[in-house]
Amino acid sequence: DVKVTQSSRYLVKRTGEKVFLECVQDMDHENMFWYRQDPGLGLRLIYFSYDVKMKEKGDIPEGYSVSREKKERFSLILESASTNQTSMYLCASSFARVLRVQPQHFGDGTRLSIL
Amino acid sequence: DQQVKQNSPSLSVQEGRISILNCDYTNSMFDYFLWYKKYPAEGPTFLISISSIKDKNEDGRFTVFLNKSAKHLSLHIVPSQPGDSAVYFCAGLQGAQKLVFGQGTRLTINP
Repeated sequence: DVKVTQSSRYLVKRTGEKVFLECVQDMDHENMFWYRQDPGLGLRLIYFSYDVKMKEKGDIPEGYSVSREKKERFSLILESASTNQTSMYLCASSFARVLRVQPQHFGDGTRLSIL
Repeated sequence: DQQVKQNSPSLSVQEGRISILNCDYTNSMFDYFLWYKKYPAEGPTFLISISSIKDKNEDGRFTVFLNKSAKHLSLHIVPSQPGDSAVYFCAGLQGAQKLVFGQGTRLTINP
């Protein structure tokens, strides 16, 4: 069974802090993704990576950066947290470059509150 | 600019009846569609998918229909069970890797 683990279920930070969200997958997947989920907006893609040290912007990359130094780990960084970044953050991974071969597998999410 | 729209935020269905969840899209470049199911405090899990070259895909109680001319897809669940109560997201595949999700529909199955 694929396991995507997000380091924190709940996180509370202050405005202006640098925030790190960590995600680890145990299936040697090439692709990894970061989404945020907001009521009425569904899941929106922030960044994704299809290989170590590779990254591509999703639909809402502003205010975020990512790091992928090892294949199994994908980190989302909020450079200077703001209240509008309060959200549920979901990490996902998939095996193949062509998504239709295997769907994305999600972690259980990190609910981040910025005060 | 919402490329994938689920216009019903919620749906309530009696146990044993059919649940129909709808999804509309605007991007003609989508060539693959997926449905995900999400329980509270858990990540979404993949449910069923369909290629744009097909108009129907079935997996047990779940069937997805695709109408390309109308840019519409629907998920049918028959018969509906209490464990089907969840939020359902449809998504279109853009390019090789990027999924574009709808807003989600909360399905409640009443006993």
